[in-house]
Formats: sequence, C-alpha cells, structure tokens
Amino acid sequence: AQTVTQSQPEMSVQEAETVTLSCTYDTSESDYYLFWYKQPPSRQMILVIRQEAYKQQNATENRFSVNFQKAAKSFSLKISDSQLGDAAMYFCAYRSRGEYGNKLVFGAGTILRVKS
Amino acid sequence: DARVTQTPRHKVTEMGQEVTMRCQPILGHNTVFWYRQTMMQGLELLAYFRNRAPLDDSGMPKDRFSAEMPDATLATLKIQPSEPRDSAVYFCASGTSGTGPLETQYFGPGTRLLVL
Repeated sequence: AQTVTQSQPEMSVQEAETVTLSCTYDTSESDYYLFWYKQPPSRQMILVIRQEAYKQQNATENRFSVNFQKAAKSFSLKISDSQLGDAAMYFCAYRSRGEYGNKLVFGAGTILRVKS
Repeated sequence: DARVTQTPRHKVTEMGQEVTMRCQPILGHNTVFWYRQTMMQGLELLAYFRNRAPLDDSGMPKDRFSAEMPDATLATLKIQPSEPRDSAVYFCASGTSGTGPLETQYFGPGTRLLVL
C-alpha cells in the first residue's frame, strides 16, 4: 500500500517571502499522480497543483511550484511571494494511475502560518 | 461554476441516533468518494463508487456505516447507530473515471458531525 509522509506539522513564513513544504511517499508503482491540496479554516479542500509521475518537468501554477524528485520519492511544494490568504493546512496526496486507482492517499498535513 | 454539494453542513446529534449525509456530485462525474477527517486519523477514504456501483468500502465500519448511490445525482452516507467517535468532518468528492492527467477529484464543503 502507498503511504504519504509530511514531516512538518507546522511552518511559518513572512508575507512576501518563499516557503517550501515537504512531502515524501512510498510506492512500488512507476506511474502515478501527486497532488497538493489546500484546506483553509473553512475546511473546503482546494486543489493547488498536480504532477504526473511520467513528466520530468515540475508543475507550476502561478506562485505555486513543485520540486518532484521521482528517484527520491519526494514532492515538495514551493510557495513564492506568500500572501495572508495562503495560510491554511496543506495536504500532499498520491493517486495510482491504474484503472481502479482513483482514490487519494493523503499525508497528515502541514499547517502554514503567514505573518504580516 | 460546477460544485459538489453536501447536506447538511453541520449536524449535532445524540449517541444512538441515525445520521444521513447527502452528496450531489458534479454533473457528468461518475465517481464519488467519501472521506472522513479527524484530528487523530487525518483524511481517510471510507468508500467510493463508480457508475453507482461500490468499488471499495474497506475503510468503512460495516456494522454501522452504509453508503449508497440511489441515482447518479445523489450519494448518501448513513451511520446507524451513531457514536461519539464518529464525530468528524465527512467529505464527498467527485470525479470522472478516466486515468489521464486531467483526472481530478473535486471536494464538497464537508459535513461537520458532532455526536454527543
């Protein structure tokens, strides 16, 4: 079974600065997808960014980018120019690519605090 | 703007009572997931359906939980009888059954359940 580990329970960043959230995963599969979800205090789960394992190029979405290291099974999220609205819980998630592999496996989450 | 809707948003009940949570997936989505979020266990998959058929409900306590999809626009999760340890936020998510890179799960706002 796949597992996802987020080793940072909590992180802080100054507004306008850059922060990196860590995620590692364990799998024997060669093809899969990785995601970062954001959960603000409203509890809504919001997709931030996704990465296909077969792509070497790191995904980017505006101020959000990932550093995907397939051999190391590492998938970190970098938030540039941090904003107060970025404060939330961030979850890293894994999904198999197989026919029945649609379910997400989540890490424990990292609380991100943004200081003004 | 297509969204997953969940009702009720909040539910407070007494131990032993039946609880029914409802989810309306995004129109056209044929895969529905139920996740539970607690402080202790984090986000865990309870069950998921494709084309209204259950694919995996191994994460769900069978003695008291049941999940169904009476039709393509409604998924239900029932707890009978409810217990204090069932207190959690229950998320419904929907997606398509494709395995391609655009396959994404979209989450509803969650039902916050408190069992006294």
